[in-house]
Formats: sequence, C-alpha cells, structure tokens
Amino acid sequence: AQKVTQAQTEISVVEKEDVTLDCVYETRDTTYYLFWYKQPPSGELVFLIRRNSFDEQNEISGRYSWNFQKSTSSFNFTITASQVVDSAVYFCALSEARETSGSRLTFGEGTQLTVNP
Amino acid sequence: DSGVTQTPKHLITATGQRVTLRCSPRSGDLSVYWYQQSLDQGLQFLIQYYNGEERAKGNILERFSAQQFPDLHSELNLSSLELGDSALYFCASSALGGLAADTQYFGPGTRLTVL
Repeated sequence: AQKVTQAQTEISVVEKEDVTLDCVYETRDTTYYLFWYKQPPSGELVFLIRRNSFDEQNEISGRYSWNFQKSTSSFNFTITASQVVDSAVYFCALSEARETSGSRLTFGEGTQLTVNP
Repeated sequence: DSGVTQTPKHLITATGQRVTLRCSPRSGDLSVYWYQQSLDQGLQFLIQYYNGEERAKGNILERFSAQQFPDLHSELNLSSLELGDSALYFCASSALGGLAADTQYFGPGTRLTVL
C-alpha cells in the first residue's frame, strides 16, 4: 500500500532563513506521481508542484525548490529566504497510476511551518 | 482562486441529520474527487467520479454517498450524522483523472460541524 511520511510535525524559523520540509514515500509501483500542496490559515489547499517518477530533475520556482531522489524515496521541499507569508501547513502527496485506485491522492500528515518576523 | 466552487462554506447540524455538500468543478474538468480532513484522520480520499461514473472509492462510510450529474457538478450526501463526522470536506477536480494522475485543484472546502 502507498504511504507518505512527513516526519516534521512543526517547524519554526525566523524570516529570511532557509527551510527544508521532508517527505518520504512508499510505493510498489514504478510509475507514480508526487505532489506538494500548501494550506494557509484560510484553509484552502493550493497546488505547488507535480512530479512523475521518471523525472528526477530538481525543480526551482522562485524561492521554492524541490529535490526528488528515487534512491531514498524522498521528495523534499526547500523554501529559500522564508517570509511570513510562507506560514502554512504543507502537504506532500502520492498518486499511483493504477486502474483500480483511480487518481486518488494519499497525503502525508502535513508540516506546520511558522515563519516569525 | 482554483476555479472549483463548493457550497455551503459552513454547515452546522445535529446528530442523526442528513446534509448535502455541493461542488462545481473547474470548467472543462471531467473528474471530481471528495476528501475529508479531520484532526485525527488527516486528509483522506473518499471517492472519485469521472464524467458521471464512479471511478474509485476510498474510505467512504456507507452512510455517505456521492454522485456526479450530467453538468459535471457533484454532490456528497452525508446521513445519520455523528459527532465524528465533523470535518472539513474538500472537493477537487482534474481534467481527466486517469492513470496519468493529472493535477487536482481543490475548492475552498465545506466546514461541517455536527452538534
């Protein structure tokens, strides 16, 4: 069965610090998809990135970057020069490409990031 | 704004009652998903519909049911409500929802409180 683990329940940093959110996943499939979502205090879930299992290139989008390593089954998320607006709960999620499971997302427990001024 | 709409935003009801949550997907999206977010269970997948037909089922209770209509909007029906059903219910939509696991965009959620 697929599983996503976000071992860091809460992280607190001071503005302008870099912070890395860890995500470790388990799957028996060779084809799968990984996602990150952000849930700000207002409650909605905001899509950040989608990555398929065949693309191990790291990705950078502004202050955000993602490091995908199949060898360690990890898909970590780094925020550079954090800002107070980055304060939110961040979820890592996995979707397996199986006929029987549809496109369901399996979410990790989430990491509450607090950026203090 | 993801383009996915959910109504109502908040719902307060009593145990034993029945409620209906409504979701309109993004324009052009064929798949609709329902998720439940609670403190003890986290974010859990409930059910997926694709173009009007049930595509996949997760940990959805028998007291819960859903459907997707010809105009692609979806409704989640929760009956015989219990205190433990209090949660944030999200609807998401994606263009296809097939094996390529295209991106799901989430609505703002419906906060259900059962008293």
